[in-house]
Amino acid sequence: GEDVEQSLFLSVREGDSSVINCTYTDSSSTYLYWYKQEPGAGLQLLTYIFSNMDMKQDQRLTVLLNKKDKHLSLRIADTQTGDSAIYFCAESRGYNKLIFGAGTRLAVHP
Amino acid sequence: KAGVTQTPRYLIKTRGQQVTLSCSPISGHRSVSWYQQTPGQGLQFLFEYFSETQRNKGNFPGRFSGRQFSNSRSEMNVSTLELGDSALYLCASRPTPGDSSYNEQFFGPGTRLTVL
Repeated sequence: GEDVEQSLFLSVREGDSSVINCTYTDSSSTYLYWYKQEPGAGLQLLTYIFSNMDMKQDQRLTVLLNKKDKHLSLRIADTQTGDSAIYFCAESRGYNKLIFGAGTRLAVHP
Repeated sequence: KAGVTQTPRYLIKTRGQQVTLSCSPISGHRSVSWYQQTPGQGLQFLFEYFSETQRNKGNFPGRFSGRQFSNSRSEMNVSTLELGDSALYLCASRPTPGDSSYNEQFFGPGTRLTVL
C-alpha cells in the first residue's frame, strides 16, 4: 500500500531531545522529507535526506535513515516550546508526488 | 523571493456549487502540486503540473481538476461541491532541475474551503 506511518503524539520536556519516528513503504523512494505544520499554517520544509544517505544533520535537527527497515527518524535537540507543532514525514513518488504520514503532534512542556 | 501564494485564504461555499482556487509559485519555479488536507484522510496528493502539462494525478474523482498557465500560476477547480470537500487545499512549488534547491518542495499557506 501507500501508507507512511507515524506515531500520533509525543510529549517532551523543554530542553530534552525529541525523536519522531516514521516508516515508509516504497524502497525506490529517492528522497524522504520532514515538514512542520503550526496551527492554521501551511507546511514548512525542515529537512530532507537522499535515500543513499544514513544520516543528515542540520543545526538542531538530525535525520537517521535505515533503508533496510524503511525507517526514518527526526531528532530535535534541545526542544523548545516553539517546536510544538505537527511533524509530517513524506516520501517522494515520482513527478513531485509526496506521500505523507498522518503527522506526529509534538507537545513541549516546561 | 516571495513564497508560494494562494488565494483566497478562506472560502465558504454551499453543496452543489463550484469553486476555483489559485496558486502562484515562487518566481522561477515551473512545477506546481496540489494537496488536500482533512482531519480524516490527512494530506493527499491531487495533481502536479509542469510547464502547463499535468504529469501526475492522485485518486480523486473527476470533479477535481486543475490547470497551469504559461506564467506557471495554477488553478484548481472543484465542481458540484460535497460536504466532504471541506478541507485545507495546499499548493507546493518546486525549482527547476539544476537549481541548488531542486529537491525541495515549498508549500503555500493554503486555502481553507468550507462547504455548507
